[in-house]
Formats: sequence, C-alpha cells, structure tokens
Amino acid sequence: ETGVTQSPTHLIKTRGQQVTLRCSSQSGHNTVSWYQQALGQGPQFIFQYYREEENGRGNFPPRFSGLQFPNYSSELNVNALELDDSALYLCASSLGSPPRDEQYFGPGTRLTVT
Amino acid sequence: DQQVKQNSPSLSVQEGRISILNCDYTNSMFDYFLWYKKYPAEGPTFLISISSIKDKNEDGRFTVFLNKSAKHLSLHIVPSQPGDSAVYFCAASDVSNDYKLSFGAGTTVTVRA
Repeated sequence: ETGVTQSPTHLIKTRGQQVTLRCSSQSGHNTVSWYQQALGQGPQFIFQYYREEENGRGNFPPRFSGLQFPNYSSELNVNALELDDSALYLCASSLGSPPRDEQYFGPGTRLTVT
Repeated sequence: DQQVKQNSPSLSVQEGRISILNCDYTNSMFDYFLWYKKYPAEGPTFLISISSIKDKNEDGRFTVFLNKSAKHLSLHIVPSQPGDSAVYFCAASDVSNDYKLSFGAGTTVTVRA
C-alpha cells in the first residue's frame, strides 16, 4: 500500500509567479484535501476534492485553485503569488467524504515566496 | 478567526511521567475532535479522536477527555516515552461545515530521558 506523496518537496518562487503542487493519494482513496500551514500555526483548510469535484472550500481567495484527476491524484495551483503564501502545503487523502479521522497526510511541500 | 486554540506552544516532560495537552474551542457546532501527531519532515498522523456524545476515549497510552460545557479537551499520554516527542495538533470538525478540519496551532512535546 503506497502512502500519500507530494511533489516537489521544496520550492522557491518570486512574488507574482504561479505555482503548481502535486499530490498522489493513498491507494484506494478518492478524496483529497489541501491545507496550508504557515510557520507557527496549525494547518488551514484550503479545499477538498471528491471524485474530481470540489467538495468544500475554506477562506482562501480564488487564485488558489485545484484539480483532481481520474486516478484521484490532485494539483493545487496558486496564481499571483504573494509573500504570505510562503508556507507548508499539505495534502491529505481519504476514502469517501466526509473524511474525519481517516485522513492520511503527505509530508508536504515547503513553498517560499521571495 | 481561530476556532481551535492550543495555548501552550511547548511542553517538556520526563520519560515515564504523564503528558497533558490542552485544547479549547469556540465553535459550539463542533461535534468531533481529533488529535494529530507530527514529526519533522513528515505529515500529521492521526492519533485519537472523540465524538461529542462521549466525554472520554482511550487507546493504549493515549486518552482524550472532552468537557463540552467548558469547550475544552485534553490529551493525556501515560507513560510518556522519548518517541512521543513531536508536535501535537488538536483539530475539530462539524457536519454543518462538510466536516472540514479546523486545527489548533500545535504543542511541541519534548520527552526528557
């Protein structure tokens, strides 16, 4: 059984650029949730995808968007990067929705915006 | 608006003793509470959960207590072991918000030998 993987591990971007982060869900899981964890804070929910459809969104602007593919892997896209977007981005996969305690997190992508 | 608060950023405890981590919440709609553990360079891993219909849930060395009237929960680890050194996140969810998880800021636990 393969766990949740994320790529890249680290990324440095310049303000105003666009970035795409990738997540491969655990085998058999059809739900992916994305979280942003700023330094010294807990993860903040960005959005969730269930069977390729967005299924809930947190308080993030539209420049944060996502996709889920038929194999249930997912992308997080952030346009017009701002300095405050610097954070650890976590994805979590689960079977079905709602996920609750059955969410399995990946190791995260550390994004630095300069 | 921080709906889940962990007011102690860090906790140091001697091996073999009890670790008590606290968490407060403000949203009365929360009906499910979870604790996650996170090691450096890894994602959070689920530890234990409790439904709002219970006031205690136990799993081995880990016990979570819920006091709904005080909007407070705590995690007890007995006995503490060096491998318990990690960041612990309290999280909460409710059915009216599609079960999205709201996390606290975390408590870093250090278990001293």
